[in-house]
Amino acid sequence: NAGVMQNPRHLVRRRGQEARLRCSPVKGHSHVYWYRQLPEEGLKFMVYLQKENIIDESGMPKERFSAEFPKEGPSILRIQQVVRGDSAAYFCASSPKNTAGNDGYTFGSGTRLTVV
Amino acid sequence: AQSVTQPDIHITVSEGASLELRCNYSYGATPYLFWYVQSPGQGLQLLLKYFSGDTLVQGIKGFEAEFKRSQSSFNLRKPSVHWSDAAEYFCAVGVKTSYDKVIFGPGTSLSVIP
Repeated sequence: NAGVMQNPRHLVRRRGQEARLRCSPVKGHSHVYWYRQLPEEGLKFMVYLQKENIIDESGMPKERFSAEFPKEGPSILRIQQVVRGDSAAYFCASSPKNTAGNDGYTFGSGTRLTVV
Repeated sequence: AQSVTQPDIHITVSEGASLELRCNYSYGATPYLFWYVQSPGQGLQLLLKYFSGDTLVQGIKGFEAEFKRSQSSFNLRKPSVHWSDAAEYFCAVGVKTSYDKVIFGPGTSLSVIP
């Protein structure tokens, strides 16, 4: 059983470029959550998606950030026109239902974005 | 608003010593409570969870945590720390909105002295 797969593990972008982070949830999980971890900080919730729907995007910056979870394929977190402040570790988690019950969320190993 | 606090940013213990990491939460109802561990450069691994019932929960790697409603706390403990326990530890609370939203504390970094 593969866990949550995130790629790439490390991503370097120049200021102004686009960053695309991918997350393949655990097989059978249809709920995906994205978190951002800034240096010396905990994980901050960004967005919660079900297949083809954004359920809660209250943690997403209003501009430049978007997320999708298509019917087929991985969830994508897209950051347009990256700035140095976007440098962080981005974690994806998945769950089989919209509850934190049973085993909570299953987390991926993260994508570490560095903006130069 | 719901929140999780972990008062200790960094803790250093000697190998073999006991450990307690503190966690307090702010939430109007009984939440789901979690402890996760993050090794350097890795993702998060679930150590243990509390949903209901027995307030003392056992987890993996010899960890346990106790839910104390009166103190809004969920402290993590281990009787004897191993060098491999050095990592970042996150307490988290699951709050009920239209779904169970998991909110994390800022984390406690644990160093272990051989």
